[in-house]
Amino acid sequence: AQSVSQHNHHVILSEAASLELGCNYSYGGTVNLFWYVQYPGQHLQLLLKYFSGDPLVKGIKGFEAEFIKSKFSFNLRKPSVQWSDTAEYFCAVRGNTPLVFGKGTRLSVIA
Amino acid sequence: NAGVTQTPKFQVLKTGQSMTLQCAQDMNHNSMYWYRQDPGMGLRLIYYSASEGTTDKGEVPNGYNVSRLNKREFSLRLESAAPSQTSVYFCASSESEYFGPGTRLTVL
Repeated sequence: AQSVSQHNHHVILSEAASLELGCNYSYGGTVNLFWYVQYPGQHLQLLLKYFSGDPLVKGIKGFEAEFIKSKFSFNLRKPSVQWSDTAEYFCAVRGNTPLVFGKGTRLSVIA
Repeated sequence: NAGVTQTPKFQVLKTGQSMTLQCAQDMNHNSMYWYRQDPGMGLRLIYYSASEGTTDKGEVPNGYNVSRLNKREFSLRLESAAPSQTSVYFCASSESEYFGPGTRLTVL
């Protein structure tokens, strides 16, 4: 079965700083990869997903992620964060079982 | 088109009480899922239903039962609630790409 690691528990950035959140998974077969965002008090929203094809995936709100198969990674990036990006971010992977989530990374953006 | 809906939004139970969390989707999706979210634990899958008439255990099924009533509805039942089941419960559909608003459950 697959597993997911998000190495950053809490990230604090100033507005306009660049963001990169790490996500590594363990599974030897074909995977589908997802990033979700959860704003305070709200449910999860899908930011982007990778099934196949171009390993650089663009999502909503200016986010993108790159699938690097050799590193088993699917890192989330945004060139310039805003205060409104303050939220918790979850990486998830689907291999031979339903989606497995990482423990999440809390992002705090300060003015 | 309401997406995925859940009821109730909040619930407080006493240990040993039972209750059913309701979930419905209007997007004609085959698959539906129940997760629980606990601080620092991410989301963990309780049960899922790949299609109408089928259900399967996820990572943390103990203490729960589910019913896929029809293609639209997937309910989660706690037969005898325990404090360890205090959590936020999310329903999702279509390979977990669409999430409901959640139910915050407290068991005293």
